[in-house]
Amino acid sequence: AQRVTQPEKLLSVFKGAPVELKCNYSYSGSPELFWYVQYSRQRLQLLLRHISRESIKGFTADLNKGETSFHLKKPFAQEEDSAMYYCALSGQGAQKLVFGQGTRLTINP
Amino acid sequence: KAGVTQTPRYLIKTRGQQVTLSCSPISGHRSVSWYQQTPGQGLQFLFEYFSETQRNKGNFPGRFSGRQFSNSRSEMNVSTLELGDSALYLCASSPDSHPGNTIYFGEGSWLTVV
Repeated sequence: AQRVTQPEKLLSVFKGAPVELKCNYSYSGSPELFWYVQYSRQRLQLLLRHISRESIKGFTADLNKGETSFHLKKPFAQEEDSAMYYCALSGQGAQKLVFGQGTRLTINP
Repeated sequence: KAGVTQTPRYLIKTRGQQVTLSCSPISGHRSVSWYQQTPGQGLQFLFEYFSETQRNKGNFPGRFSGRQFSNSRSEMNVSTLELGDSALYLCASSPDSHPGNTIYFGEGSWLTVV
């Protein structure tokens, strides 16, 4: 079964501190992994995906197949990073996103 | 380029009624998918359409249905509404049906069933 787990519903860190949002997945195969973000009063949007191996807004995420994890990291948090973050996977041959429950990140000044 | 557009944005329906939600994908996108978002269940996949054909379906009862037109616009319908159908319904589009594609979401249609 396909499943995405984000263990933290809420995460609060101070500005300038490192931040890590955890994501673990369950999938029998090689999934596509994504992080989506929803800022206040804005639509859900893609932050990054593992196949592109890029850094967006200072965020990176590494796919660890051994630990079936895709944690999102940023070395120095900014106040504008406050948002709801969703980890999601898509299986081979199907464009169907399975989302985690989301983590609300709050950056304190 | 205009984003994914959903109408109506807000609506209130009575239990037992039916509702139709509309979605216009980004120009040139041929895949449209629908998601239901609730506080309890989070974001759940409803179905995906590509070239007017349903390609994938989530675990929702048959009361939930959809279709896609030749211009890629899509509608979803929920019949015999129940209180638990109250949710934000999100439409998303992508160029085609490849699983690695970036999927672009609309702002959603807020449905309240009373």
